[in-house]
Amino acid sequence: DAKTTQPNSMESNEEEPVHLPCNHSTISGTDYIHWYRQLPSQGPEYVIHGLTSNVNNRMASLAIAEDRKSSTLILHRATLRDAAVYYCILEVESIGEYGNKLVFGAGTILRVKS
Amino acid sequence: EPEVTQTPSHQVTQMGQEVILRCVPISNHLYFYWYRQILGQKVEFLVSFYNNEISEKSEIFDDQFSVERPDGSNFTLKIRSTKLEDSAMYFCASSGGGGLYSSGANVLTFGAGSRLTVL
Repeated sequence: DAKTTQPNSMESNEEEPVHLPCNHSTISGTDYIHWYRQLPSQGPEYVIHGLTSNVNNRMASLAIAEDRKSSTLILHRATLRDAAVYYCILEVESIGEYGNKLVFGAGTILRVKS
Repeated sequence: EPEVTQTPSHQVTQMGQEVILRCVPISNHLYFYWYRQILGQKVEFLVSFYNNEISEKSEIFDDQFSVERPDGSNFTLKIRSTKLEDSAMYFCASSGGGGLYSSGANVLTFGAGSRLTVL
């Protein structure tokens, strides 16, 4: 399975930007980079994804390095509700060639201080 | 916003009993998944399902597990003879598909999970 490396935990102050890094040095040319998060006692929630270019949506921004070996999820203004485990995931082609599975790692625990 | 619905939210069962966990995926999605998360551990892939058959399964998904789409709306995970180590949160997910052969990312929508406690 394609590997990603993330810090175990990070801490942020409320209302400040948060940059969550992810290394994926073994990424191949067709792998999508996904970010999901898991709030306490909830299922994983899609945040954002990208392939080569930086991406923005209402939740976050995704900055992808030019060589694609790393990416950064940016939360522009952290709130207490953003405290969660954030997962950086490479989309892996499934054996059946459809509906690529997503393989979760340990993720980064983000703590937000008020 | 469309959501994936799972029932029951919590089930307690005795070891050796059969359990069925139910999921209603998003209506126009074609790909269905089960994941599990043992308390304090990471989210693990169990199985993916497309066109009424299993696309891929993990080593965890052994003969005691089965999946079914009995009608046009439900997707079920059956555990035939539960063991203590099956205690976990089970998450259902669905997607419209994507990836290498579909020219787009495969974005999964997860349900809130079913907590299974085996005594």
